[in-house]
Amino acid sequence: NAGVTQTPKFQVLKTGQSMTLQCAQDMNHNSMYWYRQDPGMGLRLIYYSASEGTTDKGEVPNGYNVSRLNKREFSLRLESAAPSQTSVYFCASKRTGATGELFFGEGSRLTVL
Amino acid sequence: DAKTTQPPSMDCAEGRAANLPCNHSTISGNEYVYWYRQIHSQGPQYIIHGLKNNETNEMASLIITEDRKSSTLILPHATLRDTAVYYCTHGGSQGNLIFGKGTKLSVKP
Repeated sequence: NAGVTQTPKFQVLKTGQSMTLQCAQDMNHNSMYWYRQDPGMGLRLIYYSASEGTTDKGEVPNGYNVSRLNKREFSLRLESAAPSQTSVYFCASKRTGATGELFFGEGSRLTVL
Repeated sequence: DAKTTQPPSMDCAEGRAANLPCNHSTISGNEYVYWYRQIHSQGPQYIIHGLKNNETNEMASLIITEDRKSSTLILPHATLRDTAVYYCTHGGSQGNLIFGKGTKLSVKP
């Protein structure tokens, strides 16, 4: 039982390049989330998807796009990467209607040069 | 802006209880209080949540004040493996939680 799987785990980009972070969960959860975490900081919500076919902005959505491909997968795209987007990105999922647990992936470490 | 206020760091002796406070004065009536922790740079791990009543599970206890503006997470017998950053947050069933900087708990031998 893998839980929440993120790929890639590490990536180095040059300024202006684009890339997509992939996230998949095998728990049949309805809601999925993307957070970023900068050194010494807490997690900031980028985008979330309450259910398949819906997405909403979080605290820091600028410079990102998301796609809820199906119930399992929620991708985060950087169209033109900037050094300010150097961060660790975490994907999470939760059953809709349930309180409590967000299940997090192990993170994707992105460096933009 | 951070929705919660937590001390940036705390120490605890191994085997003793660790009591981590959190102020969440802006909590709404239908929002739950949640606690998570993050060990090293791993993904955060859920610990416990509550609405009004105190809660206990195999990991910790949660004490929520009557006015719900603050809470305390209690690790009854802290071990070295409990060294982590502990986050307090609150929200509804939608799950779009906002995390502050948390409390870095250091459990010392």
